[in-house]
Amino acid sequence: GAGVSQSPSNKVTEKGKDVELRCDPISGHTALYWYRQSLGQGLEFLIYFQGNSAPDKSGLPSDRFSAERTGGSVSTLTIQRTQQEDSAVYLCASSSSTFNSPLHFGNGTRLTVT
Amino acid sequence: GENVEQHPSTLSVQEGDSAVIKCTYSDSASNYFPWYKQELGKRPQLIIDIRSNVGEKKDQRIAVTLNKTAKHFSLHITETQPEDSAVYFCAAYSGAGSYQLTFGKGTKLSVIP
Repeated sequence: GAGVSQSPSNKVTEKGKDVELRCDPISGHTALYWYRQSLGQGLEFLIYFQGNSAPDKSGLPSDRFSAERTGGSVSTLTIQRTQQEDSAVYLCASSSSTFNSPLHFGNGTRLTVT
Repeated sequence: GENVEQHPSTLSVQEGDSAVIKCTYSDSASNYFPWYKQELGKRPQLIIDIRSNVGEKKDQRIAVTLNKTAKHFSLHITETQPEDSAVYFCAAYSGAGSYQLTFGKGTKLSVIP
């Protein structure tokens, strides 16, 4: 079946602009995660959504970052007033409602801030 | 929250040899430990996972062991092949009822033909 879909695959933006990254999880998956991966680095947790519960935003690095998930499906990660240090690959993942279920990752959005 | 330490950061082995990657975690309530493989420019993909009710799990050339008392778990790859070359990440859930998955910093494995 269809996996996790992210768009755009690449995004180049100027410093100070806002960007929106989109994630479409696997159908039926209630948990959705955003991670950030800088070049050659590990996976930095940003935020996750689980069903109708309040999201865990503990990983968001600043108030310029926000995310929403509409209708329990598609999610959008928004970065306002982008900075060069925001350049990274933003990975979305989803998992089923079962506790301790594997995460399935999308191909990511490569964000470059010039 | 959970803290996951992973070692080594880089590992080179000859084709056919074994590779071992080790991780430690801090939260004694964590009970699910997946391993992901990420090839260059690709997304991370689950290769094996283990839950705390077992001490070892095998899948062909890959095995994972878990020591809950010591709070560490390891990935073992036997008979390594060039296509095993990738970055491997361990991870742990942040405890009972939590959906936050914390990753180690990764191990870059190079298999030399």
